[in-house]
Amino acid sequence: LAKTTQPISMDSYEGQEVNITCSHNNIATNDYITWYQQFPSQGPRFIIQGYKTKVTNEVASLFIPADRKSSTLSLPRVSLSDTAVYYCLVGDTGRRALTFGSGTRLQVQP
Amino acid sequence: DAGVIQSPRHEVTEMGQEVTLRCKPISGHDYLFWYRQTMMRGLELLIYFNNNVPIDDSGMPEDRFSAKMPNASFSTLKIQPSEPRDSAVYFCASSLYGRTHNSPLHFGNGTRLTVT
Repeated sequence: LAKTTQPISMDSYEGQEVNITCSHNNIATNDYITWYQQFPSQGPRFIIQGYKTKVTNEVASLFIPADRKSSTLSLPRVSLSDTAVYYCLVGDTGRRALTFGSGTRLQVQP
Repeated sequence: DAGVIQSPRHEVTEMGQEVTLRCKPISGHDYLFWYRQTMMRGLELLIYFNNNVPIDDSGMPEDRFSAKMPNASFSTLKIQPSEPRDSAVYFCASSLYGRTHNSPLHFGNGTRLTVT
């Protein structure tokens, strides 16, 4: 199974930019990188997905270097409501693409 | 779009009892997934279906667990008999296609199961 490594936790303050990096050294050619956000008492929610270079949507940006062995989720100007656990998944099909790691617990302080 | 609907939201039962968790996927989604989340083990994929057919049940803990999908709009996860170590939050999710690309998982709000 594709293995991802993320920091266990991060702290930030409101208004700051937060960057969460995920390492995936054994990413395969067909694999996509997908990030989910999970609030307490809720299921994970899709944030963003990418294959290479940079992807941006209304919520976040995803930076993927040329070797694709890592990716960085960037949350601009976080607020208290961004406090959540963020998961990085790597894969294309099957169980490999559906495996969640430990995630990164982001705590945003006022 | 009502999203993935799970019931009940909370379930408290005694050891040895049968527990049935229910899930209604998003209409038109061909894939349905059951996950379990605990503090110790995180989010674990138990089983998933494609067009109502189980594709991979290698994550089902043991024979006490069974899942069915009798039609495209309904699935159940049954635990019989239940044990205290089954206490967890059980999530159901659905997706449009089997490939990750442009087919993210849509999760329900989960069922919190407590077995005493």
